Formats: sequence, structure tokens, C-alpha cells
Amino acid sequence: DTAVSQTPKYLVTQMGNDKSIKCEQNLGHDTMYWYKQDSKKFLKIMFSYNNKELIINETVPNRFSPKSPDKAHLNLHINSLELGDSAVYFCASSQETGAGELFFGEGSRLTVL
Amino acid sequence: SQQGEEDPQALSIQEGENATMNCSYKTSINNLQWYRQNSGRGLVHLILIRSNEREKHSGRLRVTLDTSKKSSSLLITASRAADTASYFCATDPKEGYQKVTFGIGTKLQVIP
Repeated sequence: DTAVSQTPKYLVTQMGNDKSIKCEQNLGHDTMYWYKQDSKKFLKIMFSYNNKELIINETVPNRFSPKSPDKAHLNLHINSLELGDSAVYFCASSQETGAGELFFGEGSRLTVL
Repeated sequence: SQQGEEDPQALSIQEGENATMNCSYKTSINNLQWYRQNSGRGLVHLILIRSNEREKHSGRLRVTLDTSKKSSSLLITASRAADTASYFCATDPKEGYQKVTFGIGTKLQVIP
């Protein structure tokens, strides 16, 4: 069983479109995250949710809107996609209320044309 | 701001050799973690060392932490081709709730 699963794995779309990436974890963790990894492999935190409540929003453009319907799911919706949004987006979860071990999904590669 | 910086950014060694990667960070931390990322995959947690620990072992991995120098090292002994991956350090700063911050990574290639 996959611990943290995200879909889709690949997403190719045109500028200006709206797209969503879904994430689910079956680990029973309280905290979930979205990270963005750019072409240079730099991994930057975007959002963190604890038990459906937004904890961290790292000055991400408001075109990005995370939604957590329950603590096992954290989806990422992106409006009006731009070329610079092309990246690999990783969902992760952790058990501890502080930062312990993160469990990552396999990533969703977004390409904006 | 970026917290950890790994050094070197790329490392190529022969199978059987040891690989050492270093990480420096800027602010006080609760703990430091090392992760591995195989090409096209997600990150996998390797080891966590707390700020009051100086050294930790896990199999062929040895991690050291020097909080006075704000640095850590990851040693992989007797490397294997399967160890080829990118390695990232991640810090949990004392300031900043649940904000694990990653470095830029070291790309390790182990030549069979």
C-alpha cells in the first residue's frame, strides 16, 4: 500500500489553464505539506496543514489554493497557470506536531506550455 | 530563505569507496534530517539527528552534527551502485513551526 499517493504523476497543460493535484496519505498523520522542486532540484515548502487547518503559507501566489477536506487529503489547485509554475510538486506528511520524519509522495511533474 | 547548503553539489566515486557529504545551515535547529532522492522519485527519509546528539549510525550511514559550527556530515561507507541518488539535508529550525527546510542537495554517482 502506498503511504502518500498523489495524482496525476504527469500533467502537461497550456498557460492560463486551471489544474489540480490530489494527495492522500494512509499513515494516520495529522500534518500534510506541499513542496515545489524546481529544475535545479531545490525543494521549497509551499503549504502545511495540521488536521485540516492551514499552518504555513510560504508567500505562495494566491493562484495556488490548497484544500484539505479531511486530515488524510490535501489537494492543490492552481489557477491561471504560468510558465514559471512548471516544476515537480511533492506532497508529504508527518506524524509529529513538530517536524519529524517526512513521508513523501512520488511527485507530480507539471509542465506549462 | 534557504536553510541548508550541501557540499559538494556533485560527487562521483567508485563502488566500494566511502562518500562524504556536508551540510551547513544558518539558524538554530531542533533536529537535522537526511533524505535520499532517486531520479524521478520522491524523497526517502534516511536518518534524523537531534540537536543534542553528535553522531548517529544507521547501517552503512553515519551522520555527525556540530551545532557550534552549524554543520552536519553524512558518510556512506562501502558505497554501492544503488546508492546513486541525490542526498538532501533538512533542518527543523527552532523558529518556524513545522517548517522543515531543505538544502540544495548533493548528487552522488557511484560507478560500478
